[in-house]
Amino acid sequence: GEDVEQSLFLSVREGDSSVINCTYTDSSSTYLYWYKQEPGAGLQLLTYIFSNMDMKQDQRLTVLLNKKDKHLSLRIADTQTGDSAIYFCAQDGLTASKLTFGTGTRLQVTL
Amino acid sequence: DAGVTQSPTHLIKTRGQQVTLRCSPKSGHDTVSWYQQALGQGPQFIFQYYEEEERQRGNFPDRFSGHQFPNYSSELNVNALLLGDSALYLCASSRLGGSDEKLFFGSGTQLSVL
Repeated sequence: GEDVEQSLFLSVREGDSSVINCTYTDSSSTYLYWYKQEPGAGLQLLTYIFSNMDMKQDQRLTVLLNKKDKHLSLRIADTQTGDSAIYFCAQDGLTASKLTFGTGTRLQVTL
Repeated sequence: DAGVTQSPTHLIKTRGQQVTLRCSPKSGHDTVSWYQQALGQGPQFIFQYYEEEERQRGNFPDRFSGHQFPNYSSELNVNALLLGDSALYLCASSRLGGSDEKLFFGSGTQLSVL
């Protein structure tokens, strides 16, 4: 079955890099995603990576995918207080509409 | 360009009642999916609607039903509410088969069942 796991909490200092990790079990995904959720809000699509890629960079965000180990990571460079939120990794299934989400990692950015 | 809009934002119901949640997709999108997010959890897929029909369904009982209208908007209905149905209900839209078929989410409806 499909299972996506993430660590629950990460605390970093402002200006440092943050690395949020995710492992998954279903190797048939076409895309893997990172979403951000701020308090009381919906999900904001941050970035995504095609399953045949190893890395994708998008401004301060770097996504690394290790298909052999079924491991996905999101690196946020120069982390700011506005980056404080819950970050979800997700993988698609038969269609792009049916995503399986992890439980989310709460990122706390301290001054 | 309005994104995905959901109404109402908050709702309080009692056990056994029925509820209807509404969603308007992002402009240009034709597919609507619904997710349930319990407190402290990631969202879970309920079902997807395209061309006014349910196309895929997650592991949710028949108490959860939906509808899609010709203008692509959608409703989620939940009958015989249970305390465990308390959650944030998220609607997401996409354009099926588009070159960039990615899900965009609304801000959700927070449902509390007392």
